Amino acid sequence: AQTVTQSQPEMSVQEAETVTLSCTYDTSESNYYLFWYKQPPSRQMILVIRQEAYKQQNATENRFSVNFQKAAKSFSLKISDSQLGDTAMYFCAFMKPGAGSYQLTFGKGTKLSVIP
Amino acid sequence: DVKVTQSSRYLVKRTGEKVFLECVQDMDHENMFWYRQDPGLGLRLIYFSYDVKMKEKGDIPEGYSVSREKKERFSLILESASTNQTSMYLCASSLSGTDASPLHFGNGTRLTVT
Repeated sequence: AQTVTQSQPEMSVQEAETVTLSCTYDTSESNYYLFWYKQPPSRQMILVIRQEAYKQQNATENRFSVNFQKAAKSFSLKISDSQLGDTAMYFCAFMKPGAGSYQLTFGKGTKLSVIP
Repeated sequence: DVKVTQSSRYLVKRTGEKVFLECVQDMDHENMFWYRQDPGLGLRLIYFSYDVKMKEKGDIPEGYSVSREKKERFSLILESASTNQTSMYLCASSLSGTDASPLHFGNGTRLTVT
């Protein structure tokens, strides 16, 4: 079974600064997908960024980028130029694709507070 | 945009009651999921479904059942609610296929069992 570990339960960052959220995972699979989801205080979970394990290039989505280290099984999220709207719970998630088994394994989350 | 709608935002029920949590998605997604979210525990999968009338147990199915009679609707049932089922419940849906597609979540239902 896969496990996902987020070692930082809470973090804070000053507005306009950069912050990195950590995520490690454990799997014996060679092909898989990794995700970062964001859950603002209003509660709806939304996708931030997605990485496919067979792609070496790190995914980027505007101010959000990842540092994917496959050998180390590490998948950290970097938020640049932090904004107040980035305040949220952030969940790292692992997905093993396969016939009929599209399901995510989530980490326990990191609560990020952006301080004005 | 995909819309996943959960029928109730907040729900208060008594111990022993039968509880239905409803979820509807409007994008013809094959896959639907029910998660439970608790502080410090993250999201845990209760049940999921690949198609109409098909269901699979997740990590914590005990005390829950599900129903999927129509493709767009996935119901979570607590046959006899207990206080340890007080939690946030999240419904999600996704497309099927060879390429893993991300989940789209509803707003959640905060259930309190007293």
